[in-house]
Amino acid sequence: SQQGEEDPQALSIQEGENATMNCSYKTSINNLQWYRQNSGRGLVHLILIRSNEREKHSGRLRVTLDTSKKSSSLLITASRAADTASYFCATEKTGANNLFFGTGTRLTVIP
Amino acid sequence: EAEVAQSPRYKITEKSQAVAFWCDPISGHATLYWYRQILGQGPELLVQFQDESVVDDSQLPKDRFSAERLKGVDSTLKIQPAELGDSAMYLCASCLGRRSDTQYFGPGTRLTVL
Repeated sequence: SQQGEEDPQALSIQEGENATMNCSYKTSINNLQWYRQNSGRGLVHLILIRSNEREKHSGRLRVTLDTSKKSSSLLITASRAADTASYFCATEKTGANNLFFGTGTRLTVIP
Repeated sequence: EAEVAQSPRYKITEKSQAVAFWCDPISGHATLYWYRQILGQGPELLVQFQDESVVDDSQLPKDRFSAERLKGVDSTLKIQPAELGDSAMYLCASCLGRRSDTQYFGPGTRLTVL
């Protein structure tokens, strides 16, 4: 069974706008990761945030983590058509050493 | 840049046939994962190897699925016999260490069972 739920399931924005995706999970975690998947391809790691961190940046990406609410958000600023993909959050549960993936958000950036 | 290799990229088979997928992780990566991804959903772990040993196969349907990583390097996932419900993308990933830090994914094998 999947640990996380992304919200929204689908998001469509204009190029240049910001995109925000949310992830909620159920149990305590060691870390939370975000991955991107282009259609029909493998997943690409974007960013990892540990349970003792609250915010992390990588280029145009900003991730926040609220362990009290068991939620995370991924913000992509100044979106580009090339950002069109599905985005998944994945959690490493406390005591586990593998990842549980969410259901994904399908992002479409319109040129 | 090193990549995870998978073959074949696409496989079409009839139900009750046997299929096999191959994965070659990034050199030096001790941990190897096989995932199944149904269209529109996130990947779900089938089996995890640490070197040549199975660490977690709790979600692997053992009546028809088998996986091995004999020398702790490349790995094979087999389905025998294939069923219609096995149609999915099969993804392999590897990780340098023993914990779930960054996982590197291969391009996947798209399986269609007719």
